[in-house]
Amino acid sequence: TQLLEQSPQFLSIQEGENLTVYCNSSSVFSSLQWYRQEPGEGPVLLVTVVTGGEVKKLKRLTFQFGDARKDSSLHITAAQPGDTGLYLCAGARSSGKLIFGQGTELSVKP
Amino acid sequence: GAGVSQSPSNKVTEKGKDVELRCDPISGHTALYWYRQSLGQGLEFLIYFQGNSAPDKSGLPSDRFSAERTGGSVSTLTIQRTQQEDSAVYLCASSTSGDRGNQPQHFGDGTRLSIL
Repeated sequence: TQLLEQSPQFLSIQEGENLTVYCNSSSVFSSLQWYRQEPGEGPVLLVTVVTGGEVKKLKRLTFQFGDARKDSSLHITAAQPGDTGLYLCAGARSSGKLIFGQGTELSVKP
Repeated sequence: GAGVSQSPSNKVTEKGKDVELRCDPISGHTALYWYRQSLGQGLEFLIYFQGNSAPDKSGLPSDRFSAERTGGSVSTLTIQRTQQEDSAVYLCASSTSGDRGNQPQHFGDGTRLSIL
């Protein structure tokens, strides 16, 4: 059973386009974390959202946590080839254990 | 080094052999987690350590898998009688505390395990 549904799983866009990745669950999490992973490396944390309705911005990336703390989205404005990579959302349990979505493989073509 | 260190980075072994994977967390991090990443399955939680104890080992797939942590630092994940379905990247992460689930986890680069 996949507790965290992430979509889309694959996304190929042109440089300059905008995109949104969604992460949905029927469970409530202590926090929702977004990671980015490059080939051959471990995931690197981008942001943690904790409060329902919270919005955080990281340059061209905007992260939102749903009011009920069950879902989240990542929006990238004017994507660049350097944004290419695997994006992972993860819901945190109170123990800190992370439940990961399937990941979104993003390819931004120049 | 300042980050989480895992060894070996790659391991190829024959089916039926035992393997031991090592994780050196960031100094001072009391919480340590093992995950497995395989094609089609994404990242799956295996076990969580707080200090030397493992309050949550619910993700271990079978009794062939075991893990221990000593001195509140280094952890080893052991897989006995390996099977081909054990082939995956095994990732270790550490954080300052497991409490409340808000602490960022710092990941190592993983051990890529291939079972022939």
